[in-house]
Amino acid sequence: DVKVTQSSRYLVKRTGEKVFLECVQDMDHENMFWYRQDPGLGLRLIYFSYDVKMKEKGDIPEGYSVSREKKERFSLILESASTNQTSMYLCASSSRQGVNYEQYFGPGTRLTVT
Amino acid sequence: AQSVTQLDSHVSVSEGTPVLLRCNYSSSYSPSLFWYVQHPNKGLQLLLKYTSAATLVKGINGFEAEFKKSETSFHLTKPSAHMSDAAEYFCVVSVGWNTDKLIFGTGTRLQVFP
Repeated sequence: DVKVTQSSRYLVKRTGEKVFLECVQDMDHENMFWYRQDPGLGLRLIYFSYDVKMKEKGDIPEGYSVSREKKERFSLILESASTNQTSMYLCASSSRQGVNYEQYFGPGTRLTVT
Repeated sequence: AQSVTQLDSHVSVSEGTPVLLRCNYSSSYSPSLFWYVQHPNKGLQLLLKYTSAATLVKGINGFEAEFKKSETSFHLTKPSAHMSDAAEYFCVVSVGWNTDKLIFGTGTRLQVFP
């Protein structure tokens, strides 16, 4: 079974703190993704990565950065957390083998910024 | 540009009655389409996917969806709802033929009453 794990299920941070969200997948997938999920808005793509040290902006990258130093690990960084970044953050991975597009998701990190 | 519209934000059914969750899509290419389900406090799980093979797609837990190009629809159905089907459902479309990005609908929350 594909497994995508995220470092924390719940996180509470203060405004202005630097926040790291970690994601690890064990299926040797090339692609990794970070989304945020908000009620009524569905999932919105923040950043994605096709390969190690490679990243591309998604639809809402402002206020976020990412790091992918190893194939299995994709980190989301909030340089200076703000209250409007309170949300559920979901990590996903997918394979580039064939035309598939199916993404596998982690359980999510619910981040609260106070 | 590719997009999906989930026509109902909430659907309520009685246990044992049929389920219909509606999704329309817009795509410049022949799309790949997915339905994902998210149970409370759980990650997203793939229900089913359409990738230009059979237009009637069967998924897990008795769900199925039919790709109708003439109507640009990909509605999710189940003949008989079960209490365990209560969850949020997302209709998803691939962005294009040369990218692994997905676009998520805003979600439909399914309630099942005894």
